[in-house]
Amino acid sequence: QQQVKQSPQSLIVQKGGISIINCAYENTAFDYFPWYQQFPGKGPALLIAIRPDVSEKKEGRFTISFNKSAKQFSLHIMDSQPGDSATYFCAASSVSGTYKYIFGTGTRLKVLA
Amino acid sequence: ETGVTQSPTHLIKTRGQQVTLRCSSQSGHNTVSWYQQALGQGPQFIFQYYREEENGRGNFPPRFSGLQFPNYSSELNVNALELDDSALYLCASSADSFTDTQYFGPGTRLTVL
Repeated sequence: QQQVKQSPQSLIVQKGGISIINCAYENTAFDYFPWYQQFPGKGPALLIAIRPDVSEKKEGRFTISFNKSAKQFSLHIMDSQPGDSATYFCAASSVSGTYKYIFGTGTRLKVLA
Repeated sequence: ETGVTQSPTHLIKTRGQQVTLRCSSQSGHNTVSWYQQALGQGPQFIFQYYREEENGRGNFPPRFSGLQFPNYSSELNVNALELDDSALYLCASSADSFTDTQYFGPGTRLTVL
């Protein structure tokens, strides 16, 4: 019940295309859903986050779509660029869990020039 | 405003040894969480410290211990190192234990031989 399932494991997209990464969770106590971007040898960097009271949040080229009833959320990267090539992690947390993050297994994105 | 810093960057130890990793939280943050990230996996929560007290622990054995100091910097200690302890150890800070946004440091790469 504490797992966050992330798919796909890897993704190849042409420059200018849309990258879509999906996550699903079981624990309805989760109330915060961030996405992190990680480059090799670096720590995860916060990209965008959403709470269950909204269905969509957009920041620049990054959009989170959230479906509370289906317990799913996804990251959309519009106009994908080679510089977006990285590993992306979704996560979930709740106040009852002391805000510890439960991370997905990661999606390795490669954007072809 | 300085970000989260960690030291050392890399560390090589042999099985059975002990190791101490250090983390300086982002300015103004009093909560530090530690995560272990094995190669190709998402980060796994180890524990969190808030105002010098442990404030939640993940599924890690007691040989993983920590400290938080009055300036809110933190240490992660691992005793009796095992080969499976080889990983990237990440420190994340947040403004307080009731804030869900966490900012990660660059990590310490630990190799156990």
